[in-house]
Amino acid sequence: QVQLVQSGPEVKKPGASVKVSCKAFGYTFTNYYITWVRQAPGQGLEWMGRISADNGNTHYAQKLQGRVTLTTDTSTNTAYMDLKSLKSDDTAVYYCARRVVGGYDYWGPGTLVTV
Amino acid sequence: SHELAQPPSVSVSPGQTVSITCSGDNLGDKYVSWYQQKPNQSPLLVIYQDTKRPSGIPERFSGSSSGNTVTLTISGTQTMDEADYYCQTWDSTSAGVFGPGTKVTVL
Repeated sequence: QVQLVQSGPEVKKPGASVKVSCKAFGYTFTNYYITWVRQAPGQGLEWMGRISADNGNTHYAQKLQGRVTLTTDTSTNTAYMDLKSLKSDDTAVYYCARRVVGGYDYWGPGTLVTV
Repeated sequence: SHELAQPPSVSVSPGQTVSITCSGDNLGDKYVSWYQQKPNQSPLLVIYQDTKRPSGIPERFSGSSSGNTVTLTISGTQTMDEADYYCQTWDSTSAGVFGPGTKVTVL
């Protein structure tokens, strides 16, 4: 069955970088986009960006342009989200999700990043 | 950027029907999906392309669209439906946009 498994919680100092992984199981990884969404404590969902697992084409939220980098490794079916120059308001749960036509059908369990 | 509006909260009695609206400029030209999120859980897709229900989602969840407003309706609401609900679409640059969320309380 389809599963997205994310890396564990991270604690970082302001100005540092964090890299969160999302390993996909149960489907052909390169047939879908992976999207990253974050949720600050007690807040709503924020779309961060997406990457084509096929060709690596990316699209980032304007707010995060220049600080976020999405990549994939098709040899391990893993997507990565790299966020640099961390600030306290980057403290959030970071989710990866598989994009299908019309929505995001499978989500990872989330990774808490504390700055 | 594209902004979506949702009511912050709604309440419903068990067995009754509740509707949650999501509105935005030119929303009628875009597809909207809806996500349910319970505390400490990942979001769950309950409606996509305005009206379609993924497999495994109960029939009591339905979606509709009229003009620049889309609506998620839960018929025969159960206590397990208590959660936050988010609408989502894409803006003109294909960036994703989420609504602010609506807390559904079943009491």
